[in-house]
Amino acid sequence: QKEVEQDPGPLSVPEGAIVSLNCTYSNSAFQYFMWYRQYSRKGPELLMYTYSSGNKEDGRFTAQVDKSSKYISLFIRDSQPSDSATYLCAMSRTGGFKTIFGAGTRLFVKA
Amino acid sequence: DTEVTQTPKHLVMGMTNKKSLKCEQHMGHRAMYWYKQKAKKPPELMFVYSYEKLSINESVPSRFSPECPNSSLLNLHLHALQPEDSALYLCASSPLPGGSEAFFGQGTRLTVV
Repeated sequence: QKEVEQDPGPLSVPEGAIVSLNCTYSNSAFQYFMWYRQYSRKGPELLMYTYSSGNKEDGRFTAQVDKSSKYISLFIRDSQPSDSATYLCAMSRTGGFKTIFGAGTRLFVKA
Repeated sequence: DTEVTQTPKHLVMGMTNKKSLKCEQHMGHRAMYWYKQKAKKPPELMFVYSYEKLSINESVPSRFSPECPNSSLLNLHLHALQPEDSALYLCASSPLPGGSEAFFGQGTRLTVV
């Protein structure tokens, strides 16, 4: 079993839809949770960074962490064609040097 | 400024060549990383430098040799690479070693011929 599971998709939605992206994990020691957006042939861009449980909102993006279920989510409201990219969840533990990435979900937002 | 700068953006090298990838950050971050990314796969950790010292080497072949000359710079020296080493090489930095968010550069797209 992988430490972090993420459905690779692809996920295709119409413009304006609410997108829900999810990851599950098995290591209860993870405390730091990140979401990255990666456009084709570019480096990953940090979208959201959360410590421990709870919600965090930034514009159209909301990140949720449920440590009891070992489940994290990223919601994108009013999705735009420019949101079409691969979304990677990532997580790490306190004092750990390694960040563990999910496989990445490819999202397509159709105009 | 949350920028990590990598040069060159593209590199084509022969299997007998020696080349270097460079990475620079001026955010005062104390941890720097090299990742390798193949198409449609997540980044794969290669090396971690913490306070300019090599902390993690993920069993990377010796044809890849990292160097951290100072807290702002990270190099990856390449020698006698194989075609299967062709990939996007990403540099990242984070404020502290471990448990904090990492910022990535745009990568060097390496092709070994």
